[in-house]
Amino acid sequence: QSVLTQPPSASGTPGQRVTISCSGSSSNIGSNPVNWYQQLPGTAPKLLIYNNDQWPSGVPDRFSGSKSGTSASLAISGLQSEDEADYYCAAWDDSLKGALFGGGTKLTVL
Amino acid sequence: EVQLVESGGGLIQPGGSLRLACAASGFSVTSISMSWVRQAPGKWLQWLSLLERDATTYYADAVKGRFTISRDNSKNTLYLQMNNVRAEDTAVYYCARGPPGYSRGSRFEYWGQGSLVTVSS
Repeated sequence: QSVLTQPPSASGTPGQRVTISCSGSSSNIGSNPVNWYQQLPGTAPKLLIYNNDQWPSGVPDRFSGSKSGTSASLAISGLQSEDEADYYCAAWDDSLKGALFGGGTKLTVL
Repeated sequence: EVQLVESGGGLIQPGGSLRLACAASGFSVTSISMSWVRQAPGKWLQWLSLLERDATTYYADAVKGRFTISRDNSKNTLYLQMNNVRAEDTAVYYCARGPPGYSRGSRFEYWGQGSLVTVSS
């Protein structure tokens, strides 16, 4: 059971905008940056968004992140078929003294 | 170019021990915080352990007291010693690297390809 809560699934049609939420607590999201990862089938995760809303080099700005209080969100605009993947949020937890991942959201492009 | 290559996975019996290795290139393992993360079949990512630049270590409760993270500077390699393994330790194990100057976080910029560990009798 993950301490960071994500919806298990999300879907959209090509061109649409989809949002994935991540809910935590004051000891993790409430006090530390949130990072987002994309995992394509059979591959290692890839850093998608860091420090709540920053893009690593090479990540298109169709992906955007935000944080408010103890929740964070990943938005994907102009949805493309290649965006079909699992998405994970992550944050350090000061109480547990460890990193936490969300349970993951499987995005389906219809 | 930064590369992380895991090795050492395989089939192991419950209660046994195994050591995973993560060979790094393009940087020194002593200069950057590094973690182990695993993913059970069909499940989510689970952070396991962090080794900071100053050698401070952190562990998830699920592996504390059973797993040990370490590094060999001369081989530029990160290790995960797994003792008293259980069926629920079956997973793909990834090593992951934080950015320069980073500590105590969840930002992993580089990942290895993963090494499968199967715990079964």
